[in-house]
Amino acid sequence: KQEVTQIPAALSVPEGENLVLNCSFTDSAIYNLQWFRQDPGKGLTSLLLIQSSQREQTSGRLNASLDKSSGRSTLYIAASQPGDSATYLCAAMEYGNKLVFGAGTILRVKS
Amino acid sequence: GAVVSQHPSWVICKSGTSVKIECRSLDFQATTMFWYRQFPKQSLMLMATSNEGSKATYEQGVEKDKFLINHASLTLSTLTVTSAHPEDSSFYICSARSPRWSPYEQYFGPGTRLTVT
Repeated sequence: KQEVTQIPAALSVPEGENLVLNCSFTDSAIYNLQWFRQDPGKGLTSLLLIQSSQREQTSGRLNASLDKSSGRSTLYIAASQPGDSATYLCAAMEYGNKLVFGAGTILRVKS
Repeated sequence: GAVVSQHPSWVICKSGTSVKIECRSLDFQATTMFWYRQFPKQSLMLMATSNEGSKATYEQGVEKDKFLINHASLTLSTLTVTSAHPEDSSFYICSARSPRWSPYEQYFGPGTRLTVT
């Protein structure tokens, strides 16, 4: 059974810092690995999707990497801003298009 | 594009009553829709997968007679929580997938907050 773990559970940083969020998964047989953002009481916003054959994806200040063999993905946020404060979720897509989510990292960027 | 809506955004109901939540894909046809539940400070847990015109597939531990899912059209799926109890209070989020749009992406709705009193 796929299990997705995210570390740290919470993170508080001053504005402008570069930061890394970690995600690990137990079963490397995945279609893709996705990163989402969730604001309090809201739905999910897709940030990056990395196909199983890819190593990384970039969008603006965000960069996500994927190492299938070791079961790890990282989300790098450059020059963090207060508006980046949210919960970040990673999810592994299994065969059958089932997404298995981690518990999330709660990020707070202080101004 | 790829917008998914949910209605209502929040609902309060009394214990023992039923409540229906709608999930609509607004600008694409969704052959598959997914229903998730999220308890406070926890992650999303998949409840069931529904394909248009067929019965939903429920995850282990999810009562299919309690959480009725209907996917009657390519743009609408409904989740009915029957005989709701306070422990059913949660945030329910749907997502939709269209192989023609993007084979492996799911597009998420904004969620419905259910409170059972």
